[in-house]
Amino acid sequence: GIQVEQSPPDLILQEGANSTLRCNFSDSVNNLQWFHQNPWGQLINLFYIPSGTKQNGRLSATTVATERYSLLYISSSQTTDSGVYFCAVGVWADKLIFGTGTRLQVFP
Amino acid sequence: DTEVTQTPKHLVMGMTNKKSLKCEQHMGHRAMYWYKQKAKKPPELMFVYSYEKLSINESVPSRFSPECPNSSLLNLHLHALQPEDSALYLCASSQGGGGTTDTQYFGPGTRLTVL
Repeated sequence: GIQVEQSPPDLILQEGANSTLRCNFSDSVNNLQWFHQNPWGQLINLFYIPSGTKQNGRLSATTVATERYSLLYISSSQTTDSGVYFCAVGVWADKLIFGTGTRLQVFP
Repeated sequence: DTEVTQTPKHLVMGMTNKKSLKCEQHMGHRAMYWYKQKAKKPPELMFVYSYEKLSINESVPSRFSPECPNSSLLNLHLHALQPEDSALYLCASSQGGGGTTDTQYFGPGTRLTVL
């Protein structure tokens, strides 16, 4: 089956720093989403981005489908950005496969 | 409104108990999902309902029994669970059924402990 690897696995930042999270996948996909899971377990959808670039405030994402990777950029990080970031890819029929996750901690 | 609600928030049950988890959405979405998430691991798909019919069962043990009474509701019935079934159970929904091009919206989850 398709493999979805994220890097880095852990990231520690000071408030105000910028970061780039990466998601690599092993096969062609027609769905890619980025999620943020807060410390209480709630998964929030950040981007639906099977290809191209999108921006939402301090967050932006780029997916290069032909090279099988996606990047999530976080600028001017805040403590509320802490949590786990997952990318998830879809190959067929409503099934999303989640990546390994990046755990982000932002300190004041 | 992009809200998916789940009840209860927390559940503790013994191995001989029968309990149910409930999920509700009022966004008119036609696909609903159950995921299981163990600590420090990504969510894993359990079941998908598309247009109120079970479309995907990821080889889940029969002690987990899903039910979709109508297009807004999804239940997960639990019976004779094992301690290793303790996890966060997440419900999600998406606009259409039968496709892979939809954003999934997640509920807050039910944290289940099996004693």
